[in-house]
Amino acid sequence: AQSVTQPDIHITVSEGASLELRCNYSYGATPYLFWYVQSPGQGLQLLLKYFSGDTLVQGIKGFEAEFKRSQSSFNLRKPSVHWSDAAEYFCAVGAGDDKIIFGKGTRLHILP
Amino acid sequence: NAGVTQTPKFRILKIGQSMTLQCAQDMNHNYMYWYRQDPGMGLKLIYYSVGAGITDKGEVPNGYNVSRSTTEDFPLRLELAAPSQTSVYFCASRPGQINYGYTFGSGTRLTVV
Repeated sequence: AQSVTQPDIHITVSEGASLELRCNYSYGATPYLFWYVQSPGQGLQLLLKYFSGDTLVQGIKGFEAEFKRSQSSFNLRKPSVHWSDAAEYFCAVGAGDDKIIFGKGTRLHILP
Repeated sequence: NAGVTQTPKFRILKIGQSMTLQCAQDMNHNYMYWYRQDPGMGLKLIYYSVGAGITDKGEVPNGYNVSRSTTEDFPLRLELAAPSQTSVYFCASRPGQINYGYTFGSGTRLTVV
């Protein structure tokens, strides 16, 4: 069965610094991969997704992610974070059946 | 605005009471899902539906029931509320292909006391 691991529960970065959030997945074939963001008190919003083609995908709000098959990873990056990026980020994998499996999330804190 | 609408946004229940969490989408999506979110635990799938008249259990279905009589609506029923059901509940939907990802509602925060 597929699974998703987000190794970092909390990440703190300074405003203007670069960001990388880690995500590892478990699945035998090429999965569908997603990153969602959840602002406090809100639902989840799709940031970006990968299912085929170019392994570097661009998303909304200046985020990008790179699919690395050899490492079973789909890390999320942003060159320069803004205070408004403080939120919880979820990596998710969908693979062959009807469901998407979510990681436990990484909470991003931004220092002024 | 098109999307997934959940009602109510907040609710406090007493132990043993029942309630229905409503979820409606106007995007003609076949697939609909109910998740619960607990701090530090991510999202856990309660029930899902692949179309009107078809529902299936997810990871944590005990204590909940669902029905799907129309494409638009997917209500979640709690029959005998327990403190363990205190959580934030999210409804989501997607079109036929999974690569589209989900569209989420804004959630219902439920407290059982």
